[in-house]
Amino acid sequence: NAGVMQNPRHLVRRRGQEARLRCSPMKGHSHVYWYRQLPEEGLKFMVYLQKENIIDESGMPKERFSAEFPKEGPSILRIQQVVRGDSAAYFCASSPPWEPSTDTQYFGPGTRLTVL
Amino acid sequence: QKEVEQNSGPLSVPEGAIASLNCTYSDRGSQSFFWYRQYSGKSPELIMFIYSNGDKEDGRFTAQLNKASQYVSLLIRDSQPSDSATYLCAVNIGDNYGQNFVFGPGTRLSVLP
Repeated sequence: NAGVMQNPRHLVRRRGQEARLRCSPMKGHSHVYWYRQLPEEGLKFMVYLQKENIIDESGMPKERFSAEFPKEGPSILRIQQVVRGDSAAYFCASSPPWEPSTDTQYFGPGTRLTVL
Repeated sequence: QKEVEQNSGPLSVPEGAIASLNCTYSDRGSQSFFWYRQYSGKSPELIMFIYSNGDKEDGRFTAQLNKASQYVSLLIRDSQPSDSATYLCAVNIGDNYGQNFVFGPGTRLSVLP
């Protein structure tokens, strides 16, 4: 029973490059969430997706950031033209379809992005 | 603005004592409540969830929920140095058509040997 998987675990990019982070939810989970965490800071919600739909992207920066969760394959968080301020840990979480008492989010190990 | 508040700490307790972590939330429509533990450099790990008013116990952990006061707490009995971590309170203020998790800033707990 594999948990939430994220890859890569560590990603180094130079300013101006693109970063692509992948998340495979737990089996049976159809909801995916992306969070960003700066060093010594709390989790900041970025985006909530279901298969082929963006449900809530209120936490996503308006420029350079995009997310998708296609019908097949993992969810992808894409950061274009990265800047040093994008350096952070990016966590993905998944949860099953909503029903009372099954809305728990489970987190992946995270991707640590470093922008040089 | 939906908010979840926690004391940032650090909260220091001696080994073997009870650690009490508190969380308040602003949205009265919130339905479910979660406590996560996060060790430095690691991802959040679910400890407890609670949906109904009252207490819920799991081993050394007890979650307490009071919806009237919009307050949820986590008690850790017989605290161990391995419990030293940041504890995140999360509240789902969503409805049947979606979920909206809001995380608190976390409380850093230090258990002193």
